Amino acid sequence: QVQLVQSGDEVKKPGASVKVSCKSSGYTFTNYGISWVRQAPGQGLEWMGWINNYNYNTNYAQKFQGRVTVTTDTSTSTAYMELRSLASDDTAVYYCVRDIQYNMDVWGKGTTVTVSS
Amino acid sequence: QTVVTQEPSLTVSPGGTVTLTCASSTGAVTSGYYPNWFQQKPGQAPRALIYTTSNKHSWTPARFSGSLLGGKAALTLSGVQPEDEGEYYCLLYYGGAWVFGGGTKLTVL
Repeated sequence: QVQLVQSGDEVKKPGASVKVSCKSSGYTFTNYGISWVRQAPGQGLEWMGWINNYNYNTNYAQKFQGRVTVTTDTSTSTAYMELRSLASDDTAVYYCVRDIQYNMDVWGKGTTVTVSS
Repeated sequence: QTVVTQEPSLTVSPGGTVTLTCASSTGAVTSGYYPNWFQQKPGQAPRALIYTTSNKHSWTPARFSGSLLGGKAALTLSGVQPEDEGEYYCLLYYGGAWVFGGGTKLTVL
């Protein structure tokens, strides 16, 4: 079955970077994109960016432009999201989501990133 | 800055019908915004329910339906079950970027 398995929880200091991975299985990876969505504690969902796993095209939310990079490794069917210059308000659960033709269907279980000095 | 607005909270009785809506600050929501709907329960990842306005996933219960209503995207639950209690989010597409609504907390009481 389709699965997106994310890397483990992280604790980072302000100013650091974090890189979260999302390994896909159960489908043809290059036929789909991966979106990244985050959720701060007690808050709603926030779309961060997307990558096309076939041609590596990316789109990012304006809020995160210049601070986030989404990449993909088709040899291992793994997508990555790197967020730099972390601040306390980046503390959140980060999700990867399978994405095709305006349809976000399967979600990873989430990776908690805690930013604290 | 684009804002997507949902009802903050709604309450429905078991067996009843409720409609959640999703409005865009840019104007009427059309099929070109490719509305998606998600359900989230406490401590869990969101689960996809509806994509491109009205299409259901294979796991979406028949009592959930999506539509466009009065310039908004809408999610209707008919014959609400206790397990439908949770948070519901809509998602709209703006030419390369997606924006989530703030979520609707649905209480089944």
